[in-house]
Amino acid sequence: EAGVVQSPRYKIIEKKQPVAFWCNPISGHNTLYWYLQNLGQGPELLIRYENEEAVDDSQLPKDRFSAERLKGVDSTLKIQPAELGDSAVYLCASSHSGRPNGELFFGEGSRLTVL
Amino acid sequence: AQSVSQHNHHVILSEAASLELGCNYSYGGTVNLFWYVQYPGQHLQLLLKYFSGDPLVKGIKGFEAEFIKSKFSFNLRKPSVQWSDTAEYFCAVNTGTNAGKSTFGDGTTLTVKP
Repeated sequence: EAGVVQSPRYKIIEKKQPVAFWCNPISGHNTLYWYLQNLGQGPELLIRYENEEAVDDSQLPKDRFSAERLKGVDSTLKIQPAELGDSAVYLCASSHSGRPNGELFFGEGSRLTVL
Repeated sequence: AQSVSQHNHHVILSEAASLELGCNYSYGGTVNLFWYVQYPGQHLQLLLKYFSGDPLVKGIKGFEAEFIKSKFSFNLRKPSVQWSDTAEYFCAVNTGTNAGKSTFGDGTTLTVKP
């Protein structure tokens, strides 16, 4: 079974530039999550999708962050414009709605460095 | 809102030593509890989980954790660590009413010296 795939693995940009991250969840997983992980901290939820619908985006900074999950499969997380404080690892995870206890399957993450 | 506290930020052990990593959560209702592990250069993966039933749960690679409801704790243990256990360990919790939102602790980095 293929795991959660994320790209790019690494991205270096200058502040004020845009950046986008892509995620392909495990086949059949209805629920997709984007987490932010700062250095030395645990993952923090940014947004959760059930199929195409964003059911929890309360922690997403909507002034500069946006996300979409067209057709309920792949998802893209965008930052525009990026700030120095956005340097972090962006994790995508998925889970099966048939497992209501919320066990997560993570991708390898996209490490963003903003200069 | 729930929160998770991991007391040890960095633990250094010699091979064959016993391990216990602390995890406390704050939430008064039904919880689902997890330990995730991230080996160097790899993605986060599930180590073990507790949903209900026997409070002592066993995971992969000889790890176990005990849910003590009265102490709001879910400590991770292993009787004898190996060099290959060097990794970062994260405790996580979600609630029965919102299983889609897992809250993570800040992680414990375990270094096992050969």
